[in-house]
Amino acid sequence: GDSVTQMEGPVTLSEEAFLTINCTYTATGYPSLFWYVQYPGEGLQLLLKATKADDKGSNKGFEATYRKETTSFHLEKGSVQVSDSAVYFCALMDSSYKLIFGSGTRLLVRP
Amino acid sequence: NAGVTQTPKFQVLKTGQSMTLQCAQDMNHNSMYWYRQDPGMGLRLIYYSASEGTTDKGEVPNGYNVSRLNKREFSLRLESAAPSQTSVYFCASRIAGQFTDTQYFGPGTRLTVL
Repeated sequence: GDSVTQMEGPVTLSEEAFLTINCTYTATGYPSLFWYVQYPGEGLQLLLKATKADDKGSNKGFEATYRKETTSFHLEKGSVQVSDSAVYFCALMDSSYKLIFGSGTRLLVRP
Repeated sequence: NAGVTQTPKFQVLKTGQSMTLQCAQDMNHNSMYWYRQDPGMGLRLIYYSASEGTTDKGEVPNGYNVSRLNKREFSLRLESAAPSQTSVYFCASRIAGQFTDTQYFGPGTRLTVL
């Protein structure tokens, strides 16, 4: 079945460092791909998405490109801030419109 | 426009007790979902309702029942709670359409079963 694998955390960075969180997927066809973010004590918020190969999703300085060749959707940000500390989830939407999530990656940004 | 709301925010149950988690959305979405979140496991789908009047099992439905009361409301019931059901529960909704495939999440219910 469809699945999502993302790098284990926690990822600890200093403020203004470059961020990459790896995400790869296994799926039949070409599913829509998503990054959700969960701030402490809150629900999930959509961060960005891409619906077809080579699409780039972007929001709040974060970017991810849908790579069909490598079945990847890595999340990047050029300069992280303390306020970016959260748990990040990669997900795909299967053919029945159900979301399948990765296990989440906790990011901690230190001042 | 409150989006997706869930009640209660927190709940503590004893083993064997029953309870219903409530979810409502005011975005006129057709599809609604219940997930549970456990440490290191991401979110797993319990049940979903593609449209009013229909419900289907997800990945981990055992021990749960659902009711799609109307288009706005989708409740999750634990008939006889077990410690393994200690988790954070999230409700989500999605509008059905060819080019709209985003799910919107509620704030969650943190449930502890003793």
